[in-house]
Order: sequence, then structure tokens, then C-alpha cells
Amino acid sequence: DQQVKQNSPSLSVQEGRISILNCDYTNSMFDYFLWYKKYPAEGPTFLISISSIKDKNEDGRFTVFLNKSAKHLSLHIVPSQPGDSAVYFCAATPGYQGGSEKLVFGKGTKLTVNP
Amino acid sequence: ETGVTQSPTHLIKTRGQQVTLRCSSQSGHNTVSWYQQALGQGPQFIFQYYREEENGRGNFPPRFSGLQFPNYSSELNVNALELDDSALYLCASSLGGRAADTQYFGPGTRLTVL
Repeated sequence: DQQVKQNSPSLSVQEGRISILNCDYTNSMFDYFLWYKKYPAEGPTFLISISSIKDKNEDGRFTVFLNKSAKHLSLHIVPSQPGDSAVYFCAATPGYQGGSEKLVFGKGTKLTVNP
Repeated sequence: ETGVTQSPTHLIKTRGQQVTLRCSSQSGHNTVSWYQQALGQGPQFIFQYYREEENGRGNFPPRFSGLQFPNYSSELNVNALELDDSALYLCASSLGGRAADTQYFGPGTRLTVL
């Protein structure tokens, strides 16, 4: 079963507009959420994270919103730039379990920002 | 500060063979995690090593094994390869064993099993 779901495989936006990437999760034990960005032929790079005790975290053009009751989080990119074109992965961790905390990833959303 | 490197970049094996993938962590990072990313999927956690000891494992069979060395390098070994093992294998290093610690990923090794 997929505990982290990114239901939109792709998203296309115009440069300068807002990009909104969505993520849903099913495991209520998740307490920390992360977004990673991946360019072709590179490994994922950490973008932004949020703890379950918060509902918003902002870092420059990137803001992550968490709605715990809906088990939903979203990543907002404002304004979008062509260099933001990449695959974005949502990831969650269920917290300390038996000595390690593993990341559970969604399938990713491919964002294309058109000039 | 050097990044995370992985070797080889690509690898082709046949069913039943064994393979060893290598990862060099960022200097000072005592934790390495390995992930399998099948085509069209997100990375899936295989296991984590912390200070040279296995520190957690995902839903992978025992034919997936690993080692971590004092010089921050690590290996992923897969025995009795199956067609479904074809995937991108990613390693990620971090300072500390918490998943919330920022993990730095390597570019991955693309394994094809024929």
C-alpha cells in the first residue's frame, strides 16, 4: 500500500506564476515531512521540510503547508522559474522505529515551468 | 567538502548473478541509507547503516545486504539477481541516524538485470 501519494504525475506552469504540488499521506504516525527535488542524472536534493507541530514553513520562494486533519501537504513555489523544472518528491518519516527512521517517498510530480 | 559519489554509473547483469554497488559518503557523515527507485516510482528504503552497524531495514529480502566502512564508504550487495531488481539504486549520507536529518543523495547506479 502506498502511504505517501502524489496523484499528479506532471504539472506545467508559466514562468512567474505559482506552482502548487500536492501530497497526501495515510499513516497518522508520520510526524515529519520533506520535499526533495530531482534533476535528471542527479540524486534528489533536499528542498524544504515541516514538522507535524507546524502548519506552514517558508524558505524564500518555497512554502510548504501541512493540513494534519486532511493528511495533506502542499508545496508552493512563487514565482516559478524555468530552473525549477524537475521531479519533486514528497517524503514522510514515521518517527523513531527500532533504531532508525526511514523516509517514505511518493512517486513524484514532474514540474515543467515554461518561459 | 566533497559530495556523495556512487560507482558504477551503470551496470548490466544477468539473472542469478551477484552485484556490488559502492557509495562514498560526505566526509564526517556517520550514516548511510540505501534506496531502490524503480521506473516511475519514488525511492524505496532498503536499509540504513549507522557507525558501521545496520540500523533499520525496509521490506527487502536478506539477499540485499550492506556494509559500511570507517572511511565513510559503503556497499550494497545483491545476491541471486532477479529481473525486478532492475532499478536506480541511490545512497544517501547524513550526520546522524534520524530520517529528519538532511540526507545528501548520490547520483545513483542504474542496474539492469537481463
